[in-house]
Amino acid sequence: EVQLVESGGGLVQPGRSLRLSCAASGFTFDDYAMHWVRQAPGKGLEWVSGISWNSGSIGYADSVKGRFTISRDNAKNSLYLQMNSLRAEDTALYYCAKVTGPVGATTFDYWGQGTLVTVSS
Amino acid sequence: QSALTQPASVSGSPGQSITISCTGTSSDVGSYNLVSWYQQHPGKAPKLMIYEVSKRPSGVSNRFSGSKSGNTASLTISGLQAEDEADYYCCSYAGSSTNVVFGGGTKLTVL
Repeated sequence: EVQLVESGGGLVQPGRSLRLSCAASGFTFDDYAMHWVRQAPGKGLEWVSGISWNSGSIGYADSVKGRFTISRDNAKNSLYLQMNSLRAEDTALYYCAKVTGPVGATTFDYWGQGTLVTVSS
Repeated sequence: QSALTQPASVSGSPGQSITISCTGTSSDVGSYNLVSWYQQHPGKAPKLMIYEVSKRPSGVSNRFSGSKSGNTASLTISGLQAEDEADYYCCSYAGSSTNVVFGGGTKLTVL
């Protein structure tokens, strides 16, 4: 059974940093690209970032480019999102999501339950 | 990276059919057959309902179908049931190896 478990969310002041983690199990992690998708309270889904199976291809939404860094450790079956210079508008539930291929795939077939990030003073 | 355009809400009675549209541009929906649709119930993670415009994952009811014409994709739900009441999001590949764009979401109400 595929499982994606996010962690690392919490309350953080504007301008500070936070690192999210996603522990994957139930599939061969290094066969697939992975993504982060967020959802602000009461709002829609917003793609944040994606990384190919071997970290060779990485993309970011314009809203987080230059502030967030995605990475993965295939030996640990883990996905990460380093979030710096956080803003109030980054407040959201952050989902880790698996796609159906190693690179370029954009069908999200499995999602975690999300970790909540709240940016407030 | 502008969001795809969906109607904010649609409604229908049990047994009826509804269609949710998802309008993008020639840089995303219009150029790739990589449109997917997700159902999200309150407090739950999104669930994949349709991928690559019209394919259904195993376990998804055949009451759900997808199509595309030009820059607009559509999700049709036939034989509406109470449990179909949820938010629905479209999603498209947006022209690079990892870039993705979502629609703003449509709230489906089953009357």
